[in-house]
Amino acid sequence: GENVEQHPSTLSVQEGDSAVIKCTYSDSASNYFPWYKQELGKRPQLIIDIRSNVGEKKDQRIAVTLNKTAKHFSLHITETQPEDSAVYFCAARSGDKLTFGTGTRLAVRP
Amino acid sequence: DVKVTQSSRYLVKRTGEKVFLECVQDMDHENMFWYRQDPGLGLRLIYFSYDVKMKEKGDIPEGYSVSREKKERFSLILESASTNQTSMYLCASSQYRAGELFFGEGSRLTVL
Repeated sequence: GENVEQHPSTLSVQEGDSAVIKCTYSDSASNYFPWYKQELGKRPQLIIDIRSNVGEKKDQRIAVTLNKTAKHFSLHITETQPEDSAVYFCAARSGDKLTFGTGTRLAVRP
Repeated sequence: DVKVTQSSRYLVKRTGEKVFLECVQDMDHENMFWYRQDPGLGLRLIYFSYDVKMKEKGDIPEGYSVSREKKERFSLILESASTNQTSMYLCASSQYRAGELFFGEGSRLTVL
């Protein structure tokens, strides 16, 4: 089955700086890669996703890049704000299953 | 606005008890899922269902079963709870198989 590795497990940045979270996957057949954000005590929510026929996707301050050859994808957050503090999960879909990474706890220092 | 409701936010059960976790969604979604969330392990898929009375094993189905008698309701059952099933359980639904997951608020289960 699919295996998704996510790094780093924790990340602390100064407000205004950029944050990058990286994920690798094992199954070359995976074709859909979403990112979910979970604020403290709340449910995970989709923030951005990318499909395998696209190399990059951007939505305001967040962007996701995908390298199918290397089987890795990354989340980039620019101009971080305190409300970006949360746990972020990457995921990869292979067949009917969506496999999540282990999560990255991002702390944005004011 | 999609709403996924889990009936219990917090439960405390004893080893060996039978536990039911209920999940209801109000958006007529075909697809429903049960995940388990543990620190350092992320979200792991227990079971999923793409139709009424249909169920498929996820990555960690051992010790669990599910029931989907109605489209809007997906129940997770622990036949005989064990301490290693202490965890946060998240239900989710989606309109499309490869689409956005809408999660419930979670049920935190403690097995003593």
